[in-house]
Amino acid sequence: AQTVTQSQPEMSVQEAETVTLSCTYDTSESDYYLFWYKQPPSRQMILVIRQEAYKQQNATENRFSVNFQKAAKSFSLKISDSQLGDAAMYFCSYYSMDSSYKLIFGSGTRLLVRP
Amino acid sequence: DTEVTQTPKHLVMGMTNKKSLKCEQHMGHRAMYWYKQKAKKPPELMFVYSYEKLSINESVPSRFSPECPNSSLLNLHLHALQPEDSALYLCASSQGAGVYQETQYFGPGTRLLVL
Repeated sequence: AQTVTQSQPEMSVQEAETVTLSCTYDTSESDYYLFWYKQPPSRQMILVIRQEAYKQQNATENRFSVNFQKAAKSFSLKISDSQLGDAAMYFCSYYSMDSSYKLIFGSGTRLLVRP
Repeated sequence: DTEVTQTPKHLVMGMTNKKSLKCEQHMGHRAMYWYKQKAKKPPELMFVYSYEKLSINESVPSRFSPECPNSSLLNLHLHALQPEDSALYLCASSQGAGVYQETQYFGPGTRLLVL
């Protein structure tokens, strides 16, 4: 079965510093998608970044970038120049044919940003 | 525009009440989803509609009844709920429900309290 593991229940970062959130997953597929979603206290799930497994280049979106290691089945999120508004729960998720096209979520990492 | 709207934002209902949650998107997406999310947990998939037809029901109790009147609208009818059904209910949409139309965009959710 497909699983997504986020081993860090909570992380803390100083404003303007860089933080990396970890995610590993298990799959036998070669074609899949990976996502990071952010859920602030307002509770809306916001797409942060996505990565297609067939692309070797790591995805970036402004201050957010990923380190995608396909062989290691690792998909970490790096947040540069952290801002107070980055404080949220971050969910790593996986999607492919072997998940019956369902989003498989990790348990989440709560990010605290210290001013 | 990647907006999914949900109404109401908050709902309090008794166990004998009948109420409905509404979700709307105008992105031309053909797949829509209902999720249930408990505090500090990832969302759990409930239903998937693809091209206005129910394609996935994750063994949800019959007191939850989904409806997709057209490709832009998704309803969730609630009847005889239990206190344990109190949660955040999230709606999402994607272009389709296949592997190449995979990115889901979420609404802000309805926070439901069952008394």
